Amino acid sequence: TQLLEQSPQFLSIQEGENLTVYCNSSSVFSSLQWYRQEPGEGPVLLVTVVTGGEVKKLKRLTFQFGDARKDSSLHITAAQPGDTGLYLCAGLYNFNKFYFGSGTKLNVKP
Amino acid sequence: DAGVIQSPRHEVTEMGQEVTLRCKPISGHDYLFWYRQTMMRGLELLIYFNNNVPIDDSGMPEDRFSAKMPNASFSTLKIQPSEPRDSAVYFCASRQGTQTQYFGPGTRLLVL
Repeated sequence: TQLLEQSPQFLSIQEGENLTVYCNSSSVFSSLQWYRQEPGEGPVLLVTVVTGGEVKKLKRLTFQFGDARKDSSLHITAAQPGDTGLYLCAGLYNFNKFYFGSGTKLNVKP
Repeated sequence: DAGVIQSPRHEVTEMGQEVTLRCKPISGHDYLFWYRQTMMRGLELLIYFNNNVPIDDSGMPEDRFSAKMPNASFSTLKIQPSEPRDSAVYFCASRQGTQTQYFGPGTRLLVL
């Protein structure tokens, strides 16, 4: 059983489209992170959100932490082929242990 | 900085053999994490160290798995004996304090 559920599991879209990925849990997290992982490599941190309701932007990526700190979303505007990868959310359950979501595999077609 | 270094990058072995995975964390980082990634279970934390001391090994699946960190620049994850269900990508990650966690490129293990 995953502590963090991500949806959708797979997403294939055309370049220029917008998309949203969701990360949900029944547990409260003190912070939540989003990573992107490319084939053959380790995950790379994109952002950390800490405060309930917090919104952070990273170029065309917008991250939101739910008010109750149980869920988060990642919105990509005008997706590009370079956005292709596996997106993982990770919730900090205690001081040092991050629990990772199941992942969303995104493919952006040119 | 070279980042987190893992070796080997690929390992193919037969069931029953001993497997040793190696990790060199980023210099100056005081936390080291071992993760395992599979299609079925995703990315799972196995064990983590702080200042070379194991803090939480509750994610280690069985006694067949063991991890050591003899000094600040080296850690090993050992599986003995290995089984086909251990096939996965094993990642090492390091971090300084509460800063960003950096992952290595992973070791892809296949146990036949």
